[in-house]
Amino acid sequence: TQLLEQSPQFLSIQEGENLTVYCNSSSVFSSLQWYRQEPGEGPVLLVTVVTGGEVKKLKRLTFQFGDARKDSSLHITAAQPGDTGLYLCAGLHNYGQNFVFGPGTRLSVLP
Amino acid sequence: NAGVMQNPRHLVRRRGQEARLRCSPVKGHSHVYWYRQLPEEGLKFMVYLQKENIIDESGMPKERFSAEFPKEGPSILRIQQVVRGDSAAYFCASSVELRTTEAFFGQGTRLTVV
Repeated sequence: TQLLEQSPQFLSIQEGENLTVYCNSSSVFSSLQWYRQEPGEGPVLLVTVVTGGEVKKLKRLTFQFGDARKDSSLHITAAQPGDTGLYLCAGLHNYGQNFVFGPGTRLSVLP
Repeated sequence: NAGVMQNPRHLVRRRGQEARLRCSPVKGHSHVYWYRQLPEEGLKFMVYLQKENIIDESGMPKERFSAEFPKEGPSILRIQQVVRGDSAAYFCASSVELRTTEAFFGQGTRLTVV
């Protein structure tokens, strides 16, 4: 079973705080993606990481792919209410034919 | 969402009826994925199709569910004799090629079975 775990499951913070969410697996991925999903909408792709140890920045968001390509983290600096949403990671295995999703981290940023 | 169009956005069906969900991928994309999402949960893979071929249907129930992606027209996810447990959001994603690193999602169809 290709299992992706995400932590924490829920996170509620004040505007301006920093946070990190995690995506972990016992399997190796050829690539990993992060999505944000808002209520009633489809997931929107934020970033794709491919190389072990890779770090990508998207404004206040920093994404890191683990050296062994089994895990990833998303760090948000100075969170804003607009960052509120469900953050999903999805992995693609070398031998896989589809993207496997984690259960998501539900983030709430309070003004 | 990079142009993946799903319709209808909302679908209400009585138990025993059929539900047909449509997905038009991004222009030029020949690979389509269907996922199901229950409230407060992540996305569960159902089926992966290429034009006129089912590549992987390991996540799709063997009974009542079918999917197709014809040479012309949208991909269709069909659920026959719906039951209350089929109520969920169904999302379609498309990609350019096999096992590409990026897939783009539509806004989903929310199926409610009453």
